[in-house]
Amino acid sequence: NAGVMQNPRHLVRRRGQEARLRCSPMKGHSHVYWYRQLPEEGLKFMVYLQKENIIDESGMPKERFSAEFPKEGPSILRIQQVVRGDSAAYFCASSPEKTAYEQYFGPGTRLTVT
Amino acid sequence: AQTVTQSQPEMSVQEAETVTLSCTYDTSESDYYLFWYKQPPSRQMILVIRQEAYKQQNATENRFSVNFQKAAKSFSLKISDSQLGDAAMYFCAYKNGNKLVFGAGTILRVKS
Repeated sequence: NAGVMQNPRHLVRRRGQEARLRCSPMKGHSHVYWYRQLPEEGLKFMVYLQKENIIDESGMPKERFSAEFPKEGPSILRIQQVVRGDSAAYFCASSPEKTAYEQYFGPGTRLTVT
Repeated sequence: AQTVTQSQPEMSVQEAETVTLSCTYDTSESDYYLFWYKQPPSRQMILVIRQEAYKQQNATENRFSVNFQKAAKSFSLKISDSQLGDAAMYFCAYKNGNKLVFGAGTILRVKS
């Protein structure tokens, strides 16, 4: 059973460009979570999605950030007009429908804004 | 809002010895879950152990065990017979509802 997959693993963008981060959940999982890890810090929740629905986006910055999880295909975290402060590791996690507690993490995407 | 505090930024342990990592949390909920995650230099988040708050018995996974004190809101991780491969950042996390709330982490160094 393949784990959570994220790509790219490393992404370099210049200030003002767009960053698109992809996450494919584990097979059979329909719940996806995005977390951000700034340097020297713990992970911070950003958004929770189910297929075609955003359930909780309380951790998302109000501007420039958006997320989707379409019926077909991976979940996408999009950051428009990136700034240096967006440089971080972005982790995706997934969980199965009926499991209340456990989230399985992908390897993360490290975004560097130059 | 729930918060998780790891008061030890860094810990060291000699190979084959035992080390305990501390974690406290703040919540008004009675039903929740607690986790310890390991993050090696590869940055992959690896679940080490979990504890359901309604269970009084402390969770154990091979060399890893927890000391869960619900009234004190404390959830420490004990690693026995430490190995070089245990060297990593360790995060304590709380879950009630959709999201995990993480502490700032403790770097564990293992000396040979």
